[in-house]
Amino acid sequence: EDKVVQSPLSLVVHEGDTVTLNCSYEVTNFRSLLWYKQEKKAPTFLFMLTSSGIEKKSGRLSSILDKKELSSILNITATQTGDSAIYLCAVMNYGGSQGNLIFGKGTKLSVKP
Amino acid sequence: NAGVMQNPRHLVRRRGQEARLRCSPMKGHSHVYWYRQLPEEGLKFMVYLQKENIIDESGMPKERFSAEFPKEGPSILRIQQVVRGDSAAYFCASSSSRDGGYGYTFGSGTRLTVV
Repeated sequence: EDKVVQSPLSLVVHEGDTVTLNCSYEVTNFRSLLWYKQEKKAPTFLFMLTSSGIEKKSGRLSSILDKKELSSILNITATQTGDSAIYLCAVMNYGGSQGNLIFGKGTKLSVKP
Repeated sequence: NAGVMQNPRHLVRRRGQEARLRCSPMKGHSHVYWYRQLPEEGLKFMVYLQKENIIDESGMPKERFSAEFPKEGPSILRIQQVVRGDSAAYFCASSSSRDGGYGYTFGSGTRLTVV
């Protein structure tokens, strides 16, 4: 069965800290890995990763995929209270309807002032 | 562009009643996906629809649940004879192509509570 596992499940840090969130996957016919941020409402798209070793960066957030290790990390530097959210990792595979994202349970990040 | 609109935002139903959740995709999007999020769980795929067609319903329970996306109007997720275990947040996403994921836009969800 295809699955996506995120760790840690929750994390509490102080403003200014750097955090690393982990995502590992076991899926057939891997196509891409996506990161979303969920703040009480709709998940919002952060990154899509398809190729191994190429870092995607957006401000203080960055992410990289390791296809050999079947994993990805999401880094947040100089965290702010506004970064508090649930970070979701999802994998899309080839085949099937291509509309089906397989999500992990998420990492709940709390940033304290 | 109002984004993906879901209503109602909150829905309370007694056991045995029917729940109807509506999703209006973004303008120009013809692909709609429904996901369910149980407390402390990730989003689970339920069904993928295009206008007047169900493309993939592999994640939807075979009994009591149905979905449609008519030629006119919003997509509807219908849950008949609701039970406590149906209490969850139901998210709809839309995209303009089959690529999904990257092109997904999620709605704010409908939180269903069964009492």
